[in-house]
Amino acid sequence: ELKVEQNPLFLSMQEGKNYTIYCNYSTTSDRLYWYRQDPGKSLESLFVLLSNGAVKQEGRLMASLDTKARLSTLHITAAVHDLSATYFCATRGDDMRFGAGTRLTVKP
Amino acid sequence: DVKVTQSSRYLVKRTGEKVFLECVQDMDHENMFWYRQDPGLGLRLIYFSYDVKMKEKGDIPEGYSVSREKKERFSLILESASTNQTSMYLCAIQTGWGNQPQHFGDGTRLSIL
Repeated sequence: ELKVEQNPLFLSMQEGKNYTIYCNYSTTSDRLYWYRQDPGKSLESLFVLLSNGAVKQEGRLMASLDTKARLSTLHITAAVHDLSATYFCATRGDDMRFGAGTRLTVKP
Repeated sequence: DVKVTQSSRYLVKRTGEKVFLECVQDMDHENMFWYRQDPGLGLRLIYFSYDVKMKEKGDIPEGYSVSREKKERFSLILESASTNQTSMYLCAIQTGWGNQPQHFGDGTRLSIL
């Protein structure tokens, strides 16, 4: 059974700092998705990673995928308040599985 | 832009009622999904469909059924609503076999009293 684990589940960081969110999954998959959810809103796609070694960057966020380690990371560089949200990773086996989400709060 | 429309943002129903949640897409996407979202549990897949009249069980199908009579519409049915089905329900669509992300509707916050 495909399981997806994110850590940390809660992250409070100061503006300007760097941090990484980790996403581990339990079975072979070569598709990894990252989404953002703002309070009261639905999920918005951030990145789709489709192969081992894939790296994508948008602004202060960078995502990578290591299919051999079954690990994806979402790296935050020089955090700003606007990045405060909940971030989900997901992967697709026979169906779609999501992590529990990482609630990020960026404080001034 | 892809548009996924869920019929209600908020819904309050009573225990034992039959509840219908509707999801409509404006493009010709084959794949449609229903999730429920609960704090600390992320999104859990209830049912999905790859084509008209086709359905597959997800992780937590018990107490739910679905209907897809037309390609653009995917309905989630709570046969006899119970309080543990109080949750946020999200519909999503996806093109092809996963090289594109899912696109989500705004969600329906369902309360069962």
